[in-house]
Amino acid sequence: QVQLLQSGAAVKKPGASVRVSCKASGYTFTSFGLSWVRQAPGQGLEWMGWISPYSGNTKNPQTLQGRITLTTDKSTSTAYMELRSLKPDDTAVYYCARGGDQHFFYMDVWGKGTPVSVSS
Amino acid sequence: QSVLTQPPSVSAAPGQKVTISCSGSSSNIGNNYVSWYQQLPGTAPKLLIYDNNKRPSGIPDRFSGSKSGTSATLGITGLQTGDEADYYCGTWDSSLGAGVFGGGTKLTVL
Repeated sequence: QVQLLQSGAAVKKPGASVRVSCKASGYTFTSFGLSWVRQAPGQGLEWMGWISPYSGNTKNPQTLQGRITLTTDKSTSTAYMELRSLKPDDTAVYYCARGGDQHFFYMDVWGKGTPVSVSS
Repeated sequence: QSVLTQPPSVSAAPGQKVTISCSGSSSNIGNNYVSWYQQLPGTAPKLLIYDNNKRPSGIPDRFSGSKSGTSATLGITGLQTGDEADYYCGTWDSSLGAGVFGGGTKLTVL
């Protein structure tokens, strides 16, 4: 079945970087884009960006420009999200999800989430 | 402050119907498809509706979606206690060049 398997929880200090991985299985990795969405404790969903594993094209919101990098490894069907210069406000559960491009903005398969805690 | 506006909470009795609204603008809902997600406590979001009114395989027809102008609505009929969850609308915002979500609506089935 279609699955997105995410890496485990991370604890980071302010100013550090975090990289979360998302391994896809059960479908052709390059046929679907991948989105990243985060959810701070008790808060709503925040779209963090999208990447095409086929072309490598990415889209990110202005609010995260310069701090986020999305990449994929086609050989292992794995997507990565790196967030730099972490702040306590970046404490959240980070999800990868299949889909979410600008023309058909919906995400039909979600990973279970990766908790990231940022604290001194 | 979310780009899309949802009511913080709604409630209804088991077996009844409820609607959840999602209000936006011409740069988002007005010119792009809307999707809806259900998030049960402690779990990842789940796609309920895509392209304004389509249901993925496995989603019961108790769930429906509609769009008119710059607003969208999620309808749930025959409410069950298992429907208690947070519900989010989402769409693309062409002005921001980014995906956007509503702030979420907590559904309570009394």
